[in-house]
Amino acid sequence: DAKTTQPPSMDCAEGRAANLPCNHSTISGNEYVYWYRQIHSQGPQYIIHGLKNNETNEMASLIITEDRKSSTLILPHATLRDTAVYYCIVRVRGSTLGRLYFGRGTQLTVWP
Amino acid sequence: SAVISQKPSRDICQRGTSLTIQCQVDSQVTMMFWYRQQPGQSLTLIATANQGSEATYESGFVIDKFPISRPNLTFSTLTVSNMSPEDSSIYLCSAVVGVNEQFFGPGTRLTVL
Repeated sequence: DAKTTQPPSMDCAEGRAANLPCNHSTISGNEYVYWYRQIHSQGPQYIIHGLKNNETNEMASLIITEDRKSSTLILPHATLRDTAVYYCIVRVRGSTLGRLYFGRGTQLTVWP
Repeated sequence: SAVISQKPSRDICQRGTSLTIQCQVDSQVTMMFWYRQQPGQSLTLIATANQGSEATYESGFVIDKFPISRPNLTFSTLTVSNMSPEDSSIYLCSAVVGVNEQFFGPGTRLTVL
């Protein structure tokens, strides 16, 4: 019950922006969009989350469409260390906080 | 942010035996969870570890197979009981710190022979 759709894989040249799309057309008003990534053999790493406004932190930017049915994670200057599986997850506030349901994610490969 | 440690980091076990995995969080924790990641697969939530009471299991997971304890706010254990090769996976501890931030441990890589 992942509730999100992501492309299985993407490539990006080092130094360029990586734009990872996510479709969450059934998202409801009290659900956040979260992004995590998992570098091989490590636990998932939190990247960013948002409800309806665009968000930016030191790692990435999150652009959420006005209808909230899709979003894009932007890594502005991708490096080789950004090669990982990126997961887009919708999460309900309140009682189900923390129960994340992971889909298959997008394997991002950054090449030199 | 929070640092989550797990012990052991990996183990190789014989079928029929049990393994207990420990998880320690260095911050104030709201909730703790256990996930499983089978080879080549995404993460699957096993259960919510409740402090001082029985864990809440997801569909397909039962207490007899995966007993969980959480004696205090920042520590939890997951036991994989009566193991078979199908239990070979990475087991990950996760914790919610603050209102909306959830972090994951490095995982315990289990191989059952």
